[in-house]
Amino acid sequence: DAGVIQSPRHEVTEMGQEVTLRCKPISGHNSLFWYRQTMMRGLELLIYFNNNVPIDDSGMPEDRFSAKMPNASFSTLKIQPSEPRDSAVYFCASSPAGNEQFFGPGTRLTVL
Amino acid sequence: AQSVTQLGSHVSVSEGALVLLRCNYSSSVPPYLFWYVQYPNQGLQLLLKYTSAATLVKGINGFEAEFKKSETSFHLTKPSAHMSDAAEYFCAVSESRGGADGLTFGKGTHLIIQP
Repeated sequence: DAGVIQSPRHEVTEMGQEVTLRCKPISGHNSLFWYRQTMMRGLELLIYFNNNVPIDDSGMPEDRFSAKMPNASFSTLKIQPSEPRDSAVYFCASSPAGNEQFFGPGTRLTVL
Repeated sequence: AQSVTQLGSHVSVSEGALVLLRCNYSSSVPPYLFWYVQYPNQGLQLLLKYTSAATLVKGINGFEAEFKKSETSFHLTKPSAHMSDAAEYFCAVSESRGGADGLTFGKGTHLIIQP
């Protein structure tokens, strides 16, 4: 199995631009999580899905952030418009029901 | 609300010495606890997890952790450090089995191995 796949691995954009991060979970996993990692705040849960349905988005920092999971094999995290304080590493993780989470390699986002 | 405190943002040990990384948690219900390791520019990898079975949990790469309810602790240990253990270590807590509702992480401890 290829594991959780995230793209792009690195993204550099300018303030005000739209950014879309992508995630392909491990086949057969029914839960998907988006986390953000920064030096100041550490690792934070942004949102998670069960069976493609968003369950808890209370960690999404602002309305500029949105996430979708149109099917079991794909999810996106979108930031529109982006700001410099959004610079971070964004991780996607997936898990089979009630078991450990498997993390992707992350997307390093830099907003200039 | 649940939370995790990791004492010491940086820990330095000599190769071959005991590794001890501290983690204390707060949870309103019996917790599920996890230790993850992150190598530079990589995602997180699960080292071990406590899921209310045995209080002493053995993980990969020779690591183990002991759940102590009275101390609300879940410290990570390894008897003999190896250079390859140098990495960032995260303790995490969840109120659902396996972290099904998402994980709350500590700030992390950077482990440095001195030759």
